[in-house]
Amino acid sequence: AQSVTQLGSHVSVSEGALVLLRCNYSSSVPPYLFWYVQYPNQGLQLLLKYTSAATLVKGINGFEAEFKKSETSFHLTKPSAHMSDAAEYFCAVRAGTYKYIFGTGTRLKVLA
Amino acid sequence: EAQVTQNPRYLITVTGKKLTVTCSQNMNHEYMSWYRQDPGLGLRQIYYSMNVEVTDKGDVPEGYKVSRKEKRNFPLILESPSPNQTSLYFCASSSDRVVTGANVLTFGAGSRLTVL
Repeated sequence: AQSVTQLGSHVSVSEGALVLLRCNYSSSVPPYLFWYVQYPNQGLQLLLKYTSAATLVKGINGFEAEFKKSETSFHLTKPSAHMSDAAEYFCAVRAGTYKYIFGTGTRLKVLA
Repeated sequence: EAQVTQNPRYLITVTGKKLTVTCSQNMNHEYMSWYRQDPGLGLRQIYYSMNVEVTDKGDVPEGYKVSRKEKRNFPLILESPSPNQTSLYFCASSSDRVVTGANVLTFGAGSRLTVL
């Protein structure tokens, strides 16, 4: 069965610092993986997705994620945090034709 | 504008009073789904629908009903709400016609429900 685990429910970084949000997956088949972002009082928006075309995936707003099969990881990074990046981030895996499993979320706080 | 619209956005109700949360999408998507979001638990799937008149249970379907009579609409019905259904609810939709299989979900803005 597919699953995702997000390490760290809260992450704080200084403005301009590297952002690293961790996601590990479990899947018996090649996974389809996603990162979504949720800004306050809004629904989730897609940041990026992995479809096996390339291991380094670039998304919106300067975010990227690298698929590492040996580590079963799909960590989200951004070189330089901006105040507008403060939000909750969810890693997700497609667990079947009509099923998606979401992680428990990581709330990112950006300090001035 | 392509979007998923949920109503109401906020609702306070009392135990046992039936309510319906509506969801409508304008993208002609085949797939629609309901999730609830609770602190520390992330998003959990309640029900989903693959097309008109085709629905199935997700991970936490107890206490909820759904119907899909039209392609664009997928209402969530709480026949007899209880306090443990206090949560933030999201409707999402997706096209079924994606070759890569990495169907992207489009989410509504959420409906915050409080059951007293």
